[in-house]
Amino acid sequence: AQSVSQHNHHVILSEAASLELGCNYSYGGTVNLFWYVQYPGQHLQLLLKYFSGDPLVKGIKGFEAEFIKSKFSFNLRKPSVQWSDTAEYFCAVNAFTGGGNKLTFGTGTQLKVEL
Amino acid sequence: EPEVTQTPSHQVTQMGQEVILRCVPISNHLYFYWYRQILGQKVEFLVSFYNNEISEKSEIFDDQFSVERPDGSNFTLKIRSTKLEDSAMYFCASRISGGVTDTQYFGPGTRLTVL
Repeated sequence: AQSVSQHNHHVILSEAASLELGCNYSYGGTVNLFWYVQYPGQHLQLLLKYFSGDPLVKGIKGFEAEFIKSKFSFNLRKPSVQWSDTAEYFCAVNAFTGGGNKLTFGTGTQLKVEL
Repeated sequence: EPEVTQTPSHQVTQMGQEVILRCVPISNHLYFYWYRQILGQKVEFLVSFYNNEISEKSEIFDDQFSVERPDGSNFTLKIRSTKLEDSAMYFCASRISGGVTDTQYFGPGTRLTVL
């Protein structure tokens, strides 16, 4: 079965600092990878996704993520965070196991950006 | 932009009572999902549903749980006899098809509190 690990549970940054959130997955086959964000009081929204091709994917709001197959990683980055990026960030994997294409999520990283 | 909606936003119930959580997926979507997130834990897959039947379910989704699409728009999760440990945020999601590049869109969640 697939699993996802997010190593940073709480991150506090000042505005304009750079962000990198770690995500590692375990699954030997083909996967699709996602980062979702949950702003306070709101629902999960897709930030970006990787299916194939260029391992560096760009998402909304200046976020990007790099898929490194050899490291089973899909880290999320943003060069300069803003106060409005305060949210919880979830890495997820969709493994090709048949069935209904469920998502397996990491535990989430709570990001707080201070002014 | 179309959204997944869920009602109620918060449900409080007594242990042993039945609850029904409601979701309205995006109108042209065909695949439906329920996930839950116990406070402080990761988002966990419960069940996927396609063509009026369950396509995959997790070990969490035992005989106390059931899902239904009673009409062309609603997708419901029923918990027959709630337990304290069922207290969680329940998220509904939908996707347009089973294609590998399709995204799951999440609703805002229903917070279930079992007393």
